[in-house]
Amino acid sequence: DTEVTQTPKHLVMGMTNKKSLKCEQHMGHRAMYWYKQKAKKPPELMFVYSYEKLSINESVPSRFSPECPNSSLLNLHLHALQPEDSALYLCASSQEHVGAAKNIQYFGAGTRLSVL
Amino acid sequence: ILNVEQSPQSLHVQEGDSTNFTCSFPSSNFYALHWYRWETAKSPEALFVMTLNGDEKKKGRISATLNTKEGYSYLYIKGSQPEDSATYLCAPGDGQNFVFGPGTRLSVLP
Repeated sequence: DTEVTQTPKHLVMGMTNKKSLKCEQHMGHRAMYWYKQKAKKPPELMFVYSYEKLSINESVPSRFSPECPNSSLLNLHLHALQPEDSALYLCASSQEHVGAAKNIQYFGAGTRLSVL
Repeated sequence: ILNVEQSPQSLHVQEGDSTNFTCSFPSSNFYALHWYRWETAKSPEALFVMTLNGDEKKKGRISATLNTKEGYSYLYIKGSQPEDSATYLCAPGDGQNFVFGPGTRLSVLP
């Protein structure tokens, strides 16, 4: 099973709402990632979890709050978002985060988020 | 590694044509480079992992080369098919993180 599952596929929320994105993998990977992708731009790294600990936060605003409840699950909690946060949010996992060049990332299909 | 460039930005070819595109990156602190294919409405999927200068990898009709001294990688597709239509992303890494390039969007016309 090389699948990374993201839910929901689509999400529309208002600026005062609180919502969460969910990501799950069962490949035994110890690194998990959140990316933000705007139209016609490359995926931009937001957060990296390594062995369930946050190891990288790329200066992401606090209205995005990641959580890694266990080695298979990664959540992204959203609160008080702005319209410019509308984007495709991709989750990925890899065996390890650093050190091994063959740590290819396995991606989910993403959550398309619209903030009204 | 901060500045990753890919060219061309987009490409339209006829079925059966061969094509190639380029990924350019700073050669200092190079560790590895990954190529991904991203079809519309699907997940990005890894094609190749490249680490050594002069590396050449092949997967069916798709191949890639790597020059770490001058900081570029080429991706070649021989005899393009409509199912090759996708965005091709390169992601060079410095051992800490991989940074995605902007991609080359390939459309193969039947």
